[in-house]
Amino acid sequence: SQQGEEDPQALSIQEGENATMNCSYKTSINNLQWYRQNSGRGLVHLILIRSNEREKHSGRLRVTLDTSKKSSSLLITASRAADTASYFCATGPNSGGYQKVTFGIGTKLQVIP
Amino acid sequence: SQTIHQWPATLVQPVGSPLSLECTVEGTSNPNLYWYRQAAGRGLQLLFYSVGIGQISSEVPQNLSASRPQDRQFILSSKKLLLSDSGFYLCAWTADSSNYGYTFGSGTRLTVV
Repeated sequence: SQQGEEDPQALSIQEGENATMNCSYKTSINNLQWYRQNSGRGLVHLILIRSNEREKHSGRLRVTLDTSKKSSSLLITASRAADTASYFCATGPNSGGYQKVTFGIGTKLQVIP
Repeated sequence: SQTIHQWPATLVQPVGSPLSLECTVEGTSNPNLYWYRQAAGRGLQLLFYSVGIGQISSEVPQNLSASRPQDRQFILSSKKLLLSDSGFYLCAWTADSSNYGYTFGSGTRLTVV
């Protein structure tokens, strides 16, 4: 079953605007990860935030995590046409010795030049 | 540096034919290996994962099987393909999903006709 659920499922913005995507999950986690997938390609890992962290930055990416609400957000600032892709959140389990993550269905982002 | 290779990139197979998709990882040892399937416009479904040679865990009962004959080699197989096996197959590895994200291969687009 899918653990993470991204919202919105699709997002269209103008180049230069900020894009915010949200992810909700159901059970306790060890970490939460965000990935990008360009059409027809494999996924690329963007950022991992641990359950004891609240915010993390990487370049134009900002990820927040609220474990009390079981939710995370990915903010892409000053978007570019090259940011057009699908973005997935994935949750890492909070159980030892069982290493897998569960992916959501993704947010499809279109950045219009 | 670590790299992951997945082939073939595309495959068209008739119903009832066998399948063998191969994935290899370079530059690391004892990786955790994963096979995911992605239906069009959907999220990723975990099919199999392996934490060591000969150790395979199946997530979804189905027409597919996986093997890990060598430390850095992961093979997805089927004896007789079904139409429902069509999809985008992705191999991935991680050293430790508690602390690191997944690195994905470029994927195999399988069409069963």
